[in-house]
Amino acid sequence: GEDVEQSLFLSVREGDSSVINCTYTDSSSTYLYWYKQEPGAGLQLLTYIFSNMDMKQDQRLTVLLNKKDKHLSLRIADTQTGDSAIYFCAESMEAGRRALTFGSGTRLQVQP
Amino acid sequence: NAGVTQTPKFQVLKTGQSMTLQCAQDMNHNSMYWYRQDPGMGLRLIYYSASEGTTDKGEVPNGYNVSRLNKREFSLRLESAAPSQTSVYFCASTRGRANEQYFGPGTRLTVT
Repeated sequence: GEDVEQSLFLSVREGDSSVINCTYTDSSSTYLYWYKQEPGAGLQLLTYIFSNMDMKQDQRLTVLLNKKDKHLSLRIADTQTGDSAIYFCAESMEAGRRALTFGSGTRLQVQP
Repeated sequence: NAGVTQTPKFQVLKTGQSMTLQCAQDMNHNSMYWYRQDPGMGLRLIYYSASEGTTDKGEVPNGYNVSRLNKREFSLRLESAAPSQTSVYFCASTRGRANEQYFGPGTRLTVT
């Protein structure tokens, strides 16, 4: 079955890089996503990567995908206090109902 | 564009009461979804609608019904609320081959 796992918590200092990791089990995942959730808010799509790519960069965000190990990571460069939030990894298939399967989220705390 | 809107933002129900959560999107998306989010967990799919006039069960459909009223609106009904349905409910709609899902701000429901 589908399962997405993330570590629960990460603390970094402002200005450092943050790396949030995720593993998934379904090798037929087509797209993998990173969402950000701030307190009391909905989920904001940060970026996504197609399964035939290894890396995607978007300003301060870098996504790395190791398909062999089913490992996805999100690197945030020059982390700011405004980056403090919960980050969710998610996967979906290209066909079928196309609902997202989410990890349980990683809480990122940025210390000033 | 307002994106995905949800009403109400907060609701308290007594066990056995019924209510309908409303969701609307103005992005002309075909597919819409209802998820619930419980503490320490990712989002779980309740129901989805691939297109106007169609609905299908997700992972946790028991105790819920849905209506896809038109392309814009997708409502979630609790016929007889139970404390286990205390949760935050998110509606989402999706576009494109990459299945980018856009989320509403959520409805926080407490059942006492």
